[in-house]
Amino acid sequence: NAGVTQTPKFRVLKTGQSMTLLCAQDMNHEYMYWYRQDPGMGLRLIHYSVGEGTTAKGEVPDGYNVSRLKKQNFLLGLESAAPSQTSVYFCASSIRNEQFFGPGTRLTVL
Amino acid sequence: AQSVAQPEDQVNVAEGNPLTVKCTYSVSGNPYLFWYVQYPNRGLQFLLKYITGDNLVKGSYGFEAEFNKSQTSFHLKKPSALVSDSALYFCAVRDMSGGGSYIPTFGRGTSLIVHP
Repeated sequence: NAGVTQTPKFRVLKTGQSMTLLCAQDMNHEYMYWYRQDPGMGLRLIHYSVGEGTTAKGEVPDGYNVSRLKKQNFLLGLESAAPSQTSVYFCASSIRNEQFFGPGTRLTVL
Repeated sequence: AQSVAQPEDQVNVAEGNPLTVKCTYSVSGNPYLFWYVQYPNRGLQFLLKYITGDNLVKGSYGFEAEFNKSQTSFHLKKPSALVSDSALYFCAVRDMSGGGSYIPTFGRGTSLIVHP
């Protein structure tokens, strides 16, 4: 049981480049989330999904897109990366209450 | 609307002393409350939760939290701190009357530093 996994662990992008972060969970959870963590800002919700084929905007959705084509996977896309998107990105999943978090992806945009 | 506040950016405590990490919340209905811990370069780990029932909730690694409805607080406590407890602690709240939405709101985190 791997829990929540994230790919890649680290990435450096140039401004304007695109990339996709992959989150996978093997716990059959309905809910999945993408957060970003910045110093002094805590965790901010980017997008979330309440089930396969559904997505919704969180607190800071601008500049990001997501897809949930399969229940176990939740993809976060950056179409045109900006330095302001330099952050640590965490994926999480849950059934109802407590969330299970992945190890994070550290993204630097130059 | 739901919100949570962690008034201290950092808490310093000596090993062996009791520790408290503060959290206050605001919800329209009744709250679900959570504490998570984040060790360096790791994701968050669930520590404990309050849903209903006893106001004193016991969790992992010897931590406990006390729900106080009148003060809208959910402070995290441990009787005797360990150096290995040094980490970032997040409080989170979800409004029970969220209409089926299971989206919690997180505080900004409190860095706990336990000195030998």
